[in-house]
Amino acid sequence: GENVEQHPSTLSVQEGDSAVIKCTYSDSASNYFPWYKQELGKGPQLIIDIRSNVGEKKDQRIAVTLNKTAKHFSLHITETQPEDSAVYFCAASISQGGSEKLVFGKGTKLTVNP
Amino acid sequence: KAGVTQTPRYLIKTRGQQVTLSCSPISGHRSVSWYQQTPGQGLQFLFEYFSETQRNKGNFPGRFSGRQFSNSRSEMNVSTLELGDSALYLCASSLDPTGIQYFGAGTRLSVL
Repeated sequence: GENVEQHPSTLSVQEGDSAVIKCTYSDSASNYFPWYKQELGKGPQLIIDIRSNVGEKKDQRIAVTLNKTAKHFSLHITETQPEDSAVYFCAASISQGGSEKLVFGKGTKLTVNP
Repeated sequence: KAGVTQTPRYLIKTRGQQVTLSCSPISGHRSVSWYQQTPGQGLQFLFEYFSETQRNKGNFPGRFSGRQFSNSRSEMNVSTLELGDSALYLCASSLDPTGIQYFGAGTRLSVL
């Protein structure tokens, strides 16, 4: 069935270091992979996304890579700052009934220590 | 442009009661999806509406239902509440069913 595995579940880094979060998905037809950041008391906020026709996408300190053959994608955050501390979710799209449903990973709690 | 608005933000109910949650999408967005978020299960898809029609449904019992109005606003209803229904209920809107989803802040439901 549809499944997205996300690792690690918790990640602690020092300010200025890089952080990497990895996800694998099961449905080879998935073609859209967004990443969301959720801060305490707020809803998930889209931070970057990638479609299957692209291998890598970068936006300032954030980058996402996609390996369709291996069915995995990763989020890279460079020069981490304390305000990057949050829970990060990956997701993969599943086409169903003419629309796209997002299947989410279980989340990674990132802590950036000053 | 205003974001996705969910009301109420917090709700306390007792077992057996029913509850209705509301979601106003971003202006111009016609698709609304609902998710249940719990610490153990993460974000789970409930259903999606587009043009007042349910296009997609997740694996939840029939006690969970929803609807969408002509102005794209959506409501979800949970009947005969159970303790396990305690969760953060999130609504996301998009321009259309394949568009980028933007989330509201959620409604935190506690069932006592």
